[in-house]
Amino acid sequence: EVQLEESGGGLVQPGGSLRLSCAASGFTFSTYWMHWVRQGPSKGLMWVSRINGDESTTHYADSVKGRFTISRDNAKNTLYLQMSSLRVEDTAVYYCVRAVTTATRGLGYWGQGTLVTVSS
Amino acid sequence: QSVLTQPPSASGTPGQRVTISCSGSTSNIGSNNAYWYQQLPGTAPKLLIFSNNQRPSGVPDRFSGSKSGTSASLAISGLRSEDDADYYCAAWDDSLSSVIFGGGTKLTVL
Repeated sequence: EVQLEESGGGLVQPGGSLRLSCAASGFTFSTYWMHWVRQGPSKGLMWVSRINGDESTTHYADSVKGRFTISRDNAKNTLYLQMSSLRVEDTAVYYCVRAVTTATRGLGYWGQGTLVTVSS
Repeated sequence: QSVLTQPPSASGTPGQRVTISCSGSTSNIGSNNAYWYQQLPGTAPKLLIFSNNQRPSGVPDRFSGSKSGTSASLAISGLRSEDDADYYCAAWDDSLSSVIFGGGTKLTVL
């Protein structure tokens, strides 16, 4: 069974930093594209970033480019999102998402999310 | 403002068939696969349809997807009370080099 468990969320001041983690199990982690997606309070879904299996390719939404860094540790089956220069508008539930299959890149299976609140 | 356009709301009675549309452009749905997600209140989104019309195992065949040109659609037949949820479409956009979502459609089962 695919399991994705996010952690690392919390309250941070504007301009601060936070690192999110996503522990994966139930599948061969290194063979899947992985994503981060966020959802602001009472808002829709917004894609944040994605990374391929060997970390050679990453993509970012324009709104987080230069501030957020996606990475992974295939030996630990863990996905990360390093967030810096955080803004109030980054407040959201952040979801870790696995691609549907090893041959596709689209969003498939979602974790339960971790809440990030940026406020002074 | 979302790059993919969905109606903000839809409704139907139990047993009915409802369709939710998702309008895009040549840089997203027109050249890439469409995906659909269901989000029940207070829970994480769940994949309903991938690659335009494929259902993951465990998703009832009441849910079906289609794509024509730069638009995609999600159809739900035999509507049930538990289908009351938010539905989102998504696709990769070649121009933005990003995954983009529709604004979401709130489906109410009357």
